[in-house]
Amino acid sequence: AQSVAQPEDQVNVAEGNPLTVKCTYSVSGNPYLFWYVQYPNRGLQFLLKYITGDNLVKGSYGFEAEFNKSQTSFHLKKPSALVSDSALYFCAVRDPPGGYQKVTFGTGTKLQVIP
Amino acid sequence: DAGVIQSPRHEVTEMGQEVTLRCKPISGHNSLFWYRQTMMRGLELLIYFNNNVPIDDSGMPEDRFSAKMPNASFSTLKIQPSEPRDSAVYFCASSSEGAGGYTFGSGTRLTVV
Repeated sequence: AQSVAQPEDQVNVAEGNPLTVKCTYSVSGNPYLFWYVQYPNRGLQFLLKYITGDNLVKGSYGFEAEFNKSQTSFHLKKPSALVSDSALYFCAVRDPPGGYQKVTFGTGTKLQVIP
Repeated sequence: DAGVIQSPRHEVTEMGQEVTLRCKPISGHNSLFWYRQTMMRGLELLIYFNNNVPIDDSGMPEDRFSAKMPNASFSTLKIQPSEPRDSAVYFCASSSEGAGGYTFGSGTRLTVV
């Protein structure tokens, strides 16, 4: 069965510093990987996805993620953190084509950007 | 496109009452998912449908929970009778074939007193 792990419950970073939110995955076959963000009292919003191609994926709000097959990781990154980036971030993996599009989410990482 | 629409946004009910949550997926999406989110358990998949057919309801916590999808544009999640431990935010999400992810609704915050 596919799964993702987010090893950090919370990440604190100073405004203006680079940030990384970690994610590792376990799938059979080629992974379809996603990052979602959840702001307080809101639903989850799609940030970016990796399907195939370039290992560095760019998404919304200046975020990017690096797919590393050998390390089975898909870490979320941003060069310069903003206070407004403070939110809950979820890594996710999706069923491969031919499945029912079920997405398995990680447990979430709370990002706190300190002014 | 108005996105995934959930109603109501907030629901406060007394223990023992029936609660019905509603979801309208994005037009053209053929899969629909119900999630529950709490501080203690995080994001839990309750049930999902593909082409209006329930595929996996193993996440439904008890027989008090039921879900239906009578057509491609509407789904309900019902709790009868409700209990205080059902208090949570319930999200609906939809998706389509291809490599895309989910689109989530804004959620229904349920409080059972």
